[in-house]
Amino acid sequence: DTAVSQTPKYLVTQMGNDKSIKCEQNLGHDTMYWYKQDSKKFLKIMFSYNNKELIINETVPNRFSPKSPDKAHLNLHINSLELGDSAVYFCASRLTSGGTDTQYFGPGTRLTVL
Amino acid sequence: GNSVTQMEGPVTLSEEAFLTINCTYTATGYPSLFWYVQYPGEGLQLLLKATKADDKGSNKGFEATYRKETTSFHLEKGSVQVSDSAVYFCALRVGGAQKLVFGQGTRLTINP
Repeated sequence: DTAVSQTPKYLVTQMGNDKSIKCEQNLGHDTMYWYKQDSKKFLKIMFSYNNKELIINETVPNRFSPKSPDKAHLNLHINSLELGDSAVYFCASRLTSGGTDTQYFGPGTRLTVL
Repeated sequence: GNSVTQMEGPVTLSEEAFLTINCTYTATGYPSLFWYVQYPGEGLQLLLKATKADDKGSNKGFEATYRKETTSFHLEKGSVQVSDSAVYFCALRVGGAQKLVFGQGTRLTINP
């Protein structure tokens, strides 16, 4: 009955590789987000999609490419991984039409780049 | 711009102590304010929220009051438990903006 799920939970890879993180929500929400949490626990938004359309794209390297195949999924693909990409990545979702302000977060994906 | 500043951590208290974690904000417009909690190894969970001035959010014994005059949303709990050990994030959302702006997080450790 997980509301927002992410796979994988842990990802260890070498510099230069390409990897993807998947996110799915079963809440019927229309907006999804990716956040990055660095080693000091600082959380910053990266992207947001509403009804499969990109609405927020913060200053993120273009090696990061989100893809939303449908409203329930928002995947994050990262090319040419760098050491500085090591972080915990959180997916979140929210209902914007007639919903509340509340964003629901997934459990996070800990990415380690060696 | 919009920003959130929280008190520096880590904070270490004994069980049953009184807790205050300070949060102040800068916002263009009238934000909604939130406290999220992150337990070890888990994602963020909404703890409480307030959407307009003088509103008080409360949950699990925690409270925070939206103070427009001091642009603050301090988190308080009268008697903390070991199970409250976590990282606490203050956040805001302005108007129709789709994103949350987070503070830097405050790590709280409660010792028995």
